[in-house]
This record gives sequence, structure tokens and C-alpha cells, in this order.
Amino acid sequence: EADIYQTPRYLVIGTGKKITLECSQTMGHDKMYWYQQDPGMELHLIHYSYGVNSTEKGDLSSESTVSRIRTEHFPLTLESARPSHTSQYLCASSKGTGETNEKLFFGSGTQLSVL
Amino acid sequence: QKEVEQNSGPLSVPEGAIASLNCTYSDRGSQSFFWYRQYSGKSPELIMFIYSNGDKEDGRFTAQLNKASQYVSLLIRDSQPSDSATYLCAAPFSGGYNKLIFGAGTRLAVHP
Repeated sequence: EADIYQTPRYLVIGTGKKITLECSQTMGHDKMYWYQQDPGMELHLIHYSYGVNSTEKGDLSSESTVSRIRTEHFPLTLESARPSHTSQYLCASSKGTGETNEKLFFGSGTQLSVL
Repeated sequence: QKEVEQNSGPLSVPEGAIASLNCTYSDRGSQSFFWYRQYSGKSPELIMFIYSNGDKEDGRFTAQLNKASQYVSLLIRDSQPSDSATYLCAAPFSGGYNKLIFGAGTRLAVHP
């Protein structure tokens, strides 16, 4: 049912590199989100967007940035990766049609390892 | 106090038994609640949502909501080994436009 794609699935990169995690959805959803999840821990919202040109920071402080130039695309960028950024990053989207039916559809995630 | 709290488990139940997963929340303004299932190494998928007090049934799953006591639970009847996963409880933070707050999840292990 979910048509939301994240690339790459796994990324191992050295400290100081600039990286962009890609997220695209083909469902026409207005709302998109980035969550960060460490093993055995809860998901933390780091960025969200209500539509094109709308981006907000989430509840967990993050050094990453996002953009929403097109409805279907919500990339996340780290200008200078550090080992503390090692985590799983999950992208999600929802229709945005009301609180009681805010089903989140998740991508398969990007596991980032910064050496 | 965390906004959404769950017992991390693991909760171990034999195949065929009823698994009961519980969640408490602190924001009295939250109106709807979601249960997501996350298999190891996979992304979460929605299995139930509930917004009215009482029970909501969907197949082998029943969600229960008690707003006065601020808890929501998920019952899985006739548990199967394929139900073994982490179950995440989530609620929209009432002060933040539909931002879902997730609990840390309860790991369920169903053994044959």
C-alpha cells in the first residue's frame, strides 16, 4: 500500500562528509516527516513539512536540514557528518486530512554509519 | 515523565495465547491513538487506531482506550510467532499539529 521510497538503504561515510538522504512518495501526501531511531529506542521527530515550501524542526534537535520544493520529495541533508549522527533515519508521509486518520506511511529507512 | 510510556518488555507469550500490550500517555488533549508494529530491521506499519473510549476490534486485534485513566492497550488474540515484533504506541501531541509522539515500544515474543 505504501509508496514511499528512501535511498540509500545503508550508508557508511567518513566524518566531515556532506550527505543527502533521499525520500520520495507517490501518494500525493501533503505532510512528510523525518524520524530518527536508535536501536531499541523510540522514534524522534526531527523535521516535518505540511506542504511545498513548508518545513519545521521537530522535537529532537538535529543538525540536519530539509527542503520541500516538490510535494513528492523531502530530502534531508547533513553538511558535515559526525559519528554522533550514526542512526536510522525514517521518512514518513500522511494525507493530512484530519487528526483521527493521520496514518503515517513509512519508508524502509536509511541506516547511516559515520566513521 | 515521558509523553507516551510503554513497558519495553520483552513480553513472552505462548502461541495461541492473548498478548496484552499497554501504553499510558500524559497529554490529556490527545484525541486519537495509534498502534504500529515494527519488525526487527524494518520500518513501522500501522495496525490499529482508536479515538473513542472503549474497544475497537479488527480481526485478531483489539484496541482499548480509557481517556479518564489515560491509557490505551492492544490485545492480540490467538498470538502467532509471526506477531513477534515491537509494538509502538503513538499519540498526536495536542499542542503540535498532528505531530505523532511515539513510545519506545514493547517487544513481543510469541513462542511455539
